[in-house]
This record gives sequence, structure tokens and C-alpha cells, in this order.
Amino acid sequence: SQQGEEDPQALSIQEGENATMNCSYKTSINNLQWYRQNSGRGLVHLILIRSNEREKHSGRLRVTLDTSKKSSSLLITASRAADTASYFCAPRGAQKLVFGQGTRLTINP
Amino acid sequence: DAGVIQSPRHEVTEMGQEVTLRCKPISGHDYLFWYRQTMMRGLELLIYFNNNVPIDDSGMPEDRFSAKMPNASFSTLKIQPSEPRDSAVYFCASSRQDSPLHFGNGTRLTVT
Repeated sequence: SQQGEEDPQALSIQEGENATMNCSYKTSINNLQWYRQNSGRGLVHLILIRSNEREKHSGRLRVTLDTSKKSSSLLITASRAADTASYFCAPRGAQKLVFGQGTRLTINP
Repeated sequence: DAGVIQSPRHEVTEMGQEVTLRCKPISGHDYLFWYRQTMMRGLELLIYFNNNVPIDDSGMPEDRFSAKMPNASFSTLKIQPSEPRDSAVYFCASSRQDSPLHFGNGTRLTVT
């Protein structure tokens, strides 16, 4: 299916540490997108990486993409309490986006 | 840019009643998506439109659910009759082709 599968399901770290989340998918893609969801709110787009890109940065975010392994990772450096949220990946081949269960990230002060 | 606008924010209704959720996408976006989120099932894609035409409604759970997009600036998701298991947060999102989705703040539906 086109759905991305995030791993781990939950991650708890101390403020200031780095957080790494992984995503695997099964189909060919045009791009892969990462989103964040704060409790009770809609998803917010974080970063988009195209299929011909291997790495992309945005502020404290670093995303990698390995199309041969059909996998991606999201690294958040120097985590803050405000980073506490659920994170979702969404591989996009056809135009519909199907989301997995996400990674629940908790940053402890 | 006002973003994707959903209404109402909260809806409480009794089983058997008709429920209509509304969405105004971002101007210029030609894709519109309806999602449903629950603790048990996560974020499910119900249906999506391209240029006001339904492309994939395979996620619509039952015939009780219907969605329309009469024009580029408005879409509705209707549940008739509603059931307690329909209780969830319903999100609308819009985008351009191959671009990120912009989500509304959702409608929290409670069916008693």
C-alpha cells in the first residue's frame, strides 16, 4: 500500500537530545512528506523531500531518503519541550496521501 | 491566506440524526481530502477530489457517508443517519499536485 509506517511508535527523550524517527513504505514515490500533529490539532507540514533527493535540512530538522530501501528518517536536533507531538510520514506517488499511526514523541524537561 | 476552514468546530448530535461537515479549501488548490481520526483507527483517508471530481472514495466506510464538492471553494461530508461509532475528529485538507497538504483544524463529532 502507499501508507508509510513510522517507527518507533513512541519515543521519550530528554530536552536537548536528538530524536530520530524512521519511515518505511512499499510503493514508488514522487516525494515523501513529514508532518507534525499537536494534540487536538490538524497536521502541519514540516518538510518535503523529492524522490531524486537524498537529504534535506530545515532548521533543526534533517530528513534523509533512501529510495532503494524505501525508507526515510527524520532527525530533530537539540529537542525542545515544544517538539512534543506526533510525527507522521506520507509517501506520495499517486496524489492521495495515506498516513500511518505516527511516532508519538515526548520531550521531558 | 486564511488556510483551510472547517465548520463547525464541534458537533454533538443524537444517533439517527443527519450531520453535515463543511470545508473551504485554500484558493488555488485543486486537491481536497477528507480524513477521519480516532484513537483506535488512527488517521483514515475517506475520500479525495481533484478539480471538484471525486477520485477515490474507497475509504468511505458505508453508504451512510457521502461527500460532495459543488465548486472549487466548498466541500461537504454528510453522515445520514449518524451512529455513535462515527464519533471522531474529521479533517479536511487541500493541496496542489505533489505539494504538501494544508489541514484545517478539524470538526470534533460526538454522536450520542
